[in-house]
Amino acid sequence: SQQGEEDPQALSIQEGENATMNCSYKTSINNLQWYRQNSGRGLVHLILIRSNEREKHSGRLRVTLDTSKKSSSLLITASRAADTASYFCATDAGQRGYQKVTFGTGTKLQVIP
Amino acid sequence: DTGVSQDPRHKITKRGQNVTFRCDPISEHNRLYWYRQTLGQGPEFLTYFQNEAQLEKSRLLSDRFSAERPKGSFSTLEIQRTEQGDSAMYLCASSGDREGETQYFGPGTRLLVL
Repeated sequence: SQQGEEDPQALSIQEGENATMNCSYKTSINNLQWYRQNSGRGLVHLILIRSNEREKHSGRLRVTLDTSKKSSSLLITASRAADTASYFCATDAGQRGYQKVTFGTGTKLQVIP
Repeated sequence: DTGVSQDPRHKITKRGQNVTFRCDPISEHNRLYWYRQTLGQGPEFLTYFQNEAQLEKSRLLSDRFSAERPKGSFSTLEIQRTEQGDSAMYLCASSGDREGETQYFGPGTRLLVL
């Protein structure tokens, strides 16, 4: 079953604009990660934010986490055509000493040159 | 470090046939995961190995599915008597065994059952 739900399901923006994607989840987590997937390819890890962190940056990416609302957002600034991909949030709620990651349904981002 | 590799990348088979997929994780990674992804959905967890031990299996993994990691290195996922509903992308990932370690994904094997 999918733990998280991304919103919106699809997003189309012009190159240079910012893109914001949201993720909501259901249970307590150890950490939350964002992945990118180009069409028909494997997933690429973007950023991990731990449950005791509220905000994290990596290059043009900014992730926030609100554990009280069980939600996270991914902001991509100054988007590029190469950012066109599906973006998934993944929550780790593993309690057995390993990372049991549950993925959301994804946001499909299209950046128009 | 050549990353996680999977073979084959694509597989077309007829219903009722058996198929086997291989995953080669990053060499120093002890943990290996299999996921299944259908069109328009996120990956769903199938099973997890710590070295050669299979420690968890999802309810998605029916009796027709079996996974092995005999020497704690590469892993195989076999589907017996394939059904059309098995058509999906099968993804493998590996990670180290510290808490919160990133999972690195392979390119996936896309299965089409006719």
